[in-house]
Amino acid sequence: DGGITQSPKYLFRKEGQNVTLSCEQNLNHDAMYWYRQDPGQGLRLIYYSQIVNDFQKGDIAEGYSVSREKKESFPLTVTSAQKNPTAFYLCASSMDRGASYNEQFFGPGTRLTVL
Amino acid sequence: AQSVTQPDIHITVSEGASLELRCNYSYGATPYLFWYVQSPGQGLQLLLKYFSGDTLVQGIKGFEAEFKRSQSSFNLRKPSVHWSDAAEYFCAVGANDYKLSFGAGTTVTVRA
Repeated sequence: DGGITQSPKYLFRKEGQNVTLSCEQNLNHDAMYWYRQDPGQGLRLIYYSQIVNDFQKGDIAEGYSVSREKKESFPLTVTSAQKNPTAFYLCASSMDRGASYNEQFFGPGTRLTVL
Repeated sequence: AQSVTQPDIHITVSEGASLELRCNYSYGATPYLFWYVQSPGQGLQLLLKYFSGDTLVQGIKGFEAEFKRSQSSFNLRKPSVHWSDAAEYFCAVGANDYKLSFGAGTTVTVRA
């Protein structure tokens, strides 16, 4: 089955630690995205990548980093610089380098809690 | 830049009743418009999308939406709601910048 997987589903982190969230897709999509979801705020774009080895900052990139070494993978690192990292994180992908007329396909999400 | 407003944070509807969720967008040209649904703790699933042509769009699960350029709206409707429609619904708009902008979402509660 084609789709997007995110792991882990739940993640707990101590303050001051970096943590990496995994996102893998087997849809052969060019573009991949990371969103942060907080109650009442919808989805906010953290980073996106239209092709391998290239990515751009979204609206709330501070305190986050990404890499895109393989087409299938787009891991997100939440660094200790992110002041309020507790949130639900969603990964998505789409075709045609993410042209806006394309549907974005979403993974099941990772809930990160900072203790 | 484009933006989306969903005026209703929470809607409660009786099972079998009709449902309408409002979405207003801001964009200078004809946008690409989407409605997604999210069950608790899950990812988003596309219900329907509008690019051009017929302004009444049919989607999955019995949903439809109507694009009204004069009102900058893309409201989602369902004639008869089922308990399984309880979820959060997001409207999104795309322009020509390879990104989507999402509204804050509307939570739908279905009462028996």
